[in-house]
Amino acid sequence: SQTIHQWPATLVQPVGSPLSLECTVEGTSNPNLYWYRQAAGRGLQLLFYSVGIGQISSEVPQNLSASRPQDRQFILSSKKLLLSDSGFYLCAWSVGAEQFFGPGTRLTVL
Amino acid sequence: SQQGEEDPQALSIQEGENATMNCSYKTSINNLQWYRQNSGRGLVHLILIRSNEREKHSGRLRVTLDTSKKSSSLLITASRAADTASYFCATVLNFQTQGGSEKLVFGKGTKLTVNP
Repeated sequence: SQTIHQWPATLVQPVGSPLSLECTVEGTSNPNLYWYRQAAGRGLQLLFYSVGIGQISSEVPQNLSASRPQDRQFILSSKKLLLSDSGFYLCAWSVGAEQFFGPGTRLTVL
Repeated sequence: SQQGEEDPQALSIQEGENATMNCSYKTSINNLQWYRQNSGRGLVHLILIRSNEREKHSGRLRVTLDTSKKSSSLLITASRAADTASYFCATVLNFQTQGGSEKLVFGKGTKLTVNP
């Protein structure tokens, strides 16, 4: 069966520090991968999606970047975090219409 | 702007009652999906209804879709305390097929509280 892992579960970082969040998927090949951000009490905002290794599409201009070095690995990064980067970050995968979400990372930038 | 908008934003009911949540959207869709999110957790897919379907059932869940009104409803029958969560609708837009990915656009969600 397929599983999706995200880590860390929570992260507190100072403004200006770098960021690396990792997401890995098991049990499927060539999935579409997604990074979302969810602000408190809000819906999900799609940040990046990828249809294959090295293929990244950005949905909104921002301080973040994404990379897909392997088929089932998706990384969200920043060189210098801003206060506004705080939020709940969710990784998801799909091979069809339905998306499967990871447990999320709660990022607090102080 | 948001494609899907759920209402109400919050709903509080007693165990055993039915809960109805609504979703409206703006443009043509391929399908509409409902997801559930427990507090501080990832989303879990509940049900998908295609644009040519009008109603779909899954256990205690019933979803309707009215494409003429651009709206959908999620009904949870005989609610339980464990149904307490936020519920989101998400739409796949007809033109969102670039690169072969299906991009979902989520609403802001309805926060459901089921009191024991």
